[in-house]
Amino acid sequence: EVQLVESGGGLVQPGGSLSLSCVASGFTFSTYAMRWVRQAPGKGLEWVSTVSGSGGSTSYAGSVKGRFTISRDNSKNTLYLQMNSLRAEDTAVYYCAKGLPGGETGHWGQGTLVTVSS
Amino acid sequence: QPVLTQSSSASASLGSSVKVTCTLSSGHSSNIIAWHQQQPGKAPRYLMKVEGSGGYNKGSGVPDRFSGSRSGADRYLTISNLQSEDEADYYCETWDSDTRVFGGGTKLTVL
Repeated sequence: EVQLVESGGGLVQPGGSLSLSCVASGFTFSTYAMRWVRQAPGKGLEWVSTVSGSGGSTSYAGSVKGRFTISRDNSKNTLYLQMNSLRAEDTAVYYCAKGLPGGETGHWGQGTLVTVSS
Repeated sequence: QPVLTQSSSASASLGSSVKVTCTLSSGHSSNIIAWHQQQPGKAPRYLMKVEGSGGYNKGSGVPDRFSGSRSGADRYLTISNLQSEDEADYYCETWDSDTRVFGGGTKLTVL
């Protein structure tokens, strides 16, 4: 069974940094692209970033480019999101998600809440 | 980049059928899309992929009551024999090179 468990969320001041982690199990982690998707309170889903299975290719939404960095450690089955220069509008539940070979998002974690506020 | 448009809400009676629509923007009418369900207070759940041909492939454990189809730039999620647990937000997703987008979501109410 695929399991994705996020951690690292919390309260941070505007301009601060936070690092999220997602531990994966139940599948061959290095074979699949992984991504972060966020959901602001009461709003819809917003794609944040994707990393390829090898970690050699990354992509970002325009709203986070230059501030967020996605990475992975295939030896630890772990996905990361380093978030810098955080803004109030980054407040959201951040979901770790597994990509499928066809391109779609196939599995979701339970999410971790990030609140940016003074 | 593609844009996905969804109606904000839909409703149907218990035991009936409902069709949720996701419309692809101009130039992207052949895109593959995926449907996700988000029940209140829960994480999203992958339901299925709808191909440009209209064929669909469901995720593991998705009931037979859920099906997908297409007409032109429209992609549909049809839920038959509606159950109370189907009351949820439904999101479509598509992608294009390095970009990925979600529709705004459709809130389904089961009457």
